[in-house]
Amino acid sequence: EAGVAQSPRYKIIEKRQSVAFWCNPISGHATLYWYQQILGQGPKLLIQFQNNGVVDDSQLPKDRFSAERLKGVDSTLKIQPAKLEDSAVYLCASSSRQGGEKLFFGSGTQLSVL
Amino acid sequence: QQQVKQSPQSLIVQKGGISIINCAYENTAFDYFPWYQQFPGKGPALLIAIRPDVSEKKEGRFTISFNKSAKQFSLHIMDSQPGDSATYFCAANHPSYDKVIFGPGTSLSVIP
Repeated sequence: EAGVAQSPRYKIIEKRQSVAFWCNPISGHATLYWYQQILGQGPKLLIQFQNNGVVDDSQLPKDRFSAERLKGVDSTLKIQPAKLEDSAVYLCASSSRQGGEKLFFGSGTQLSVL
Repeated sequence: QQQVKQSPQSLIVQKGGISIINCAYENTAFDYFPWYQQFPGKGPALLIAIRPDVSEKKEGRFTISFNKSAKQFSLHIMDSQPGDSATYFCAANHPSYDKVIFGPGTSLSVIP
């Protein structure tokens, strides 16, 4: 079974630039999550999709972050404009069922904002 | 309160020893408590999980002890090996919000 795919692996941008991350979940997984992991901290949920609908985006900074999940499969997370404090690893996870059970994570995109 | 607290922040254990990581929560509505293991450059991976109706769960060298009345749970790694060196996150799931909340993590180093 293929795992959660994320790209790019690394991204370096200057502040105020825009950036986009892509995630392809495990086939058949209806629930998809984007987490932000700042160095030395636990993952923090940014947004959760159930199929192509948003379940929770309460912690997404909507003035600069946006996310979509086209046709309930792939997802993209965008930051525009980026700030220095956005430097983090952006993790995508998927799950075959609701209830937060057994999340499968991708390897993440490491973003450095200079 | 949606927070999960975790200690210690870092831990050094000798090979063959027992590693113990503790977590605490406030919200009694949490109904699922997983532990995730993360190696550098990788995403977290589910290690073991427990529900609050069980006081202990063991899988190989890994054991979760759960104290519902104290709202605490811990991970014990028996016969710790250098390959166990990683960051460990406890987490909790809130059924109403269907959201997994992670603790801040414990960096474990197992030295030969």
